[in-house]
Amino acid sequence: DSGVTQTPKHLITATGQRVTLRCSPRSGDLSVYWYQQSLDQGLQFLIQYYNGEERAKGNILERFSAQQFPDLHSELNLSSLELGDSALYFCASSVGVQSEAFFGQGTRLTVV
Amino acid sequence: AQSVAQPEDQVNVAEGNPLTVKCTYSVSGNPYLFWYVQYPNRGLQFLLKYITGDNLVKGSYGFEAEFNKSQTSFHLKKPSALVSDSALYFCAVRDMETGGFKTIFGAGTRLFVKA
Repeated sequence: DSGVTQTPKHLITATGQRVTLRCSPRSGDLSVYWYQQSLDQGLQFLIQYYNGEERAKGNILERFSAQQFPDLHSELNLSSLELGDSALYFCASSVGVQSEAFFGQGTRLTVV
Repeated sequence: AQSVAQPEDQVNVAEGNPLTVKCTYSVSGNPYLFWYVQYPNRGLQFLLKYITGDNLVKGSYGFEAEFNKSQTSFHLKKPSALVSDSALYFCAVRDMETGGFKTIFGAGTRLFVKA
């Protein structure tokens, strides 16, 4: 158990809908990262927050947004969902930039 | 831009034999390098990291990695492979140009260890 909790584990939704993925980082970790893992594109960095502030952005679509709350949990919002958004979404957390990241079990999103 | 490459999609090795999973990187400054392993239907697990110091880094489950600055490589090694080592392995580099907050992953290398 990495100490990073992601909910829900599985999500099936229709095209055009909006979903929210939730992540609780390890106790004491201030950084939260979001990644998308799909079969054809590997592990893609989406966005990173540090103590509530956005610090780095990757290939995140405009339809996607995220935030980190004062209690350090984070949410990834995906809207106007398309079939191609089906993937495994991982959250990870770390203490700081020199520290390894600990990954949650992921949320498997299926858009039908 | 910083990048990391894993030139092999798949590595096959017999149980008991040494294994190597290759990784090369490109960074503008000093690299922060990591190896992670992913088992089926699981999140990534941290194996080892290189920040500074000795070029040979030891990690979990008997794995080690050698940092080679001149060849910009960080290959993962294990002296004697186990069937249970079969998994997907990711090399990653932390992008210090953005303050170290962005970690870039390689495409992954699938390791098959045959009994």
